[in-house]
Amino acid sequence: QVDLVESGGGVVQPGRSLRLSCAASGIIFSNNVFHWVRQAPGMGLEWVAGMSSDGRHIYYADSVRGRFTISRDNSKSTLYLQMNSLRAEDTALYYCARGYCSGGGCWNFDYWGQGALVTVSS
Amino acid sequence: QSGLTQPASVSGSPGQSITISCTGTSSDIGGYKYVSWYQQHPGKVPKLMIYDVSNRPSGISNRFSGSKSGNTASLTISGLQAEDEADYYCSSFTSSYTLVFGGGTKLTVL
Repeated sequence: QVDLVESGGGVVQPGRSLRLSCAASGIIFSNNVFHWVRQAPGMGLEWVAGMSSDGRHIYYADSVRGRFTISRDNSKSTLYLQMNSLRAEDTALYYCARGYCSGGGCWNFDYWGQGALVTVSS
Repeated sequence: QSGLTQPASVSGSPGQSITISCTGTSSDIGGYKYVSWYQQHPGKVPKLMIYDVSNRPSGISNRFSGSKSGNTASLTISGLQAEDEADYYCSSFTSSYTLVFGGGTKLTVL
């Protein structure tokens, strides 16, 4: 059974930083691509960032590029999202998701965590 | 990168078939066969229903099918059931090596 457990969410003031973690179990973490996807309250899904299994390939949405950094520690089976210069519009539930690989790469998300809520407010 | 365009809502009666459209551009849907569909029930985590336009992951009912024509992808649900009532999102790989989602479609089973 694959489990993805996010942590590190909370309430933060605009301009401040926060780091999310996603601990994986039931899966060979180092063999897999992972992504962060967010969902603002009552809104749709938005892809945030993705990282290859070896960490060499990293991708970001335009909305977070330059402010957010995705990273991973394969020895700890943990994915991270460092979020700097946070804005009100970053308020969302942040999901960690495994990238299921197909002909088009690993851009399909078959395992999801329950999410970590980030609220940016003064 | 703008989001993909989906109808805000669709509805159908039990047993009927419905189709949800997802329109993009030649830089995403039109340029690649990498469209996915997700189902999300209220308060729940999204579930992968279709990948690579028309492939179903293991365990997904064959009542769910996907297709693509030009810049528009479609999800069809046949033999509509009450438990199909949920929000549905499409997604596509893009030429910028990013992923874009549609705004979501609320399916109501009458």
